Amino acid sequence: DSGVTQTPKHLITATGQRVTLRCSPRSGDLSVYWYQQSLDQGLQFLIQYYNGEERAKGNILERFSAQQFPDLHSELNLSSLELGDSALYFCASSGLGTAGNTIYFGEGSWLTVV
Amino acid sequence: KNEVEQSPQNLTAQEGEFITINCSYSVGISALHWLQQHPGGGIVSLFMLSSGKKKHGRLIATINIQEKHSSLHITASHPRDSAVYICAVRWLNGNQFYFGTGTSLTVIP
Repeated sequence: DSGVTQTPKHLITATGQRVTLRCSPRSGDLSVYWYQQSLDQGLQFLIQYYNGEERAKGNILERFSAQQFPDLHSELNLSSLELGDSALYFCASSGLGTAGNTIYFGEGSWLTVV
Repeated sequence: KNEVEQSPQNLTAQEGEFITINCSYSVGISALHWLQQHPGGGIVSLFMLSSGKKKHGRLIATINIQEKHSSLHITASHPRDSAVYICAVRWLNGNQFYFGTGTSLTVIP
């Protein structure tokens, strides 16, 4: 158990809909990362939050947004969903300073858009 | 261009074989991880390296900071080692982790 909790584990939704994926980081970890893993691609970095503030942005679509709340949990919002958004979405967390060198992954949220 | 290059992309081995997976990266790093992803999706970190060599059971990871290269070795491979192995690096000047595209390993009994 990595200590990173993601919900829901599986989600099936229709095109055009909006979903929210939730992540609770490991206790004490201030950084939260979101990644997308499609069937034919490796892990793609979407966005990072550190203690409530956006720290880095990757290839995140404008239809996607995220935030990190004061209790450090994070949500990834995916809107106007398309078939190509079907993927496994991972959340990961890491600590401060050299503790930030260690990264822990949640089990992922499987999103299927039909 | 991917900042982290892994090879090979796919690897099939007979049970008992010695396996090597390679990772090269382009800039200075503060840490490198070897991650394992089994079918079903979960990702675990096998090793975190910033220098030298680490060993855990049949797995050995090495890193050469000057050459910007790391290898993951599996000795006496077993079918349960079948998984995707991913190299991930944390840049010295940033907080992000960058990932290789992964090596899909299949060990045949």
